[in-house]
Amino acid sequence: DVKVTQSSRYLVKRTGEKVFLECVQDMDHENMFWYRQDPGLGLRLIYFSYDVKMKEKGDIPEGYSVSREKKERFSLILESASTNQTSMYLCASSFQNVARGYTFGSGTRLTVV
Amino acid sequence: DQQVKQNSPSLSVQEGRISILNCDYTNSMFDYFLWYKKYPAEGPTFLISISSIKDKNEDGRFTVFLNKSAKHLSLHIVPSQPGDSAVYFCAARQGAQKLVFGQGTRLTINP
Repeated sequence: DVKVTQSSRYLVKRTGEKVFLECVQDMDHENMFWYRQDPGLGLRLIYFSYDVKMKEKGDIPEGYSVSREKKERFSLILESASTNQTSMYLCASSFQNVARGYTFGSGTRLTVV
Repeated sequence: DQQVKQNSPSLSVQEGRISILNCDYTNSMFDYFLWYKKYPAEGPTFLISISSIKDKNEDGRFTVFLNKSAKHLSLHIVPSQPGDSAVYFCAARQGAQKLVFGQGTRLTINP
């Protein structure tokens, strides 16, 4: 059973902390993505990566960075967490041609207090 | 600028009846459209897709219709079942590697 695994289901962090969200896929997918889901706003793309060490900004990259040192792992970093980054974070991966769709992880519910 | 819009935040349907979820888009360069289903505390799962060269694609109880001239697609679920209660996202392919998602519609199937 193919999988995208996000390391934490729930996280609570303090304002100003540096936060790491980890995502691992076992499908040998080239592409990996980080989205956040907020009520009424749907899924918004933060960053994506189409190859190891490659990254591109999505629609809302401010306050975030990413790292992809290995093909199977894509990390999202909140440099200094703020309360407006409280959200559900979803990692996804896909083959190079996304016509076959994304496979999503189960999500990380992050609360910044 | 929302390129993919789902204007109905929620929809309530009686079990056994048809559910119709709608999606509008603005970018005529989108060439592939997908629907995803999401249960609480789970990631979205792929449901059905359609290429822009088609106007209909069917998979069991699920049918997606595409009207390119109106830049509109819809998902029909017949008959609706309680397990269909979820949030549904439509998505459009932008370039080869990215999907753009709508805001989602919460579907509730009532017994």
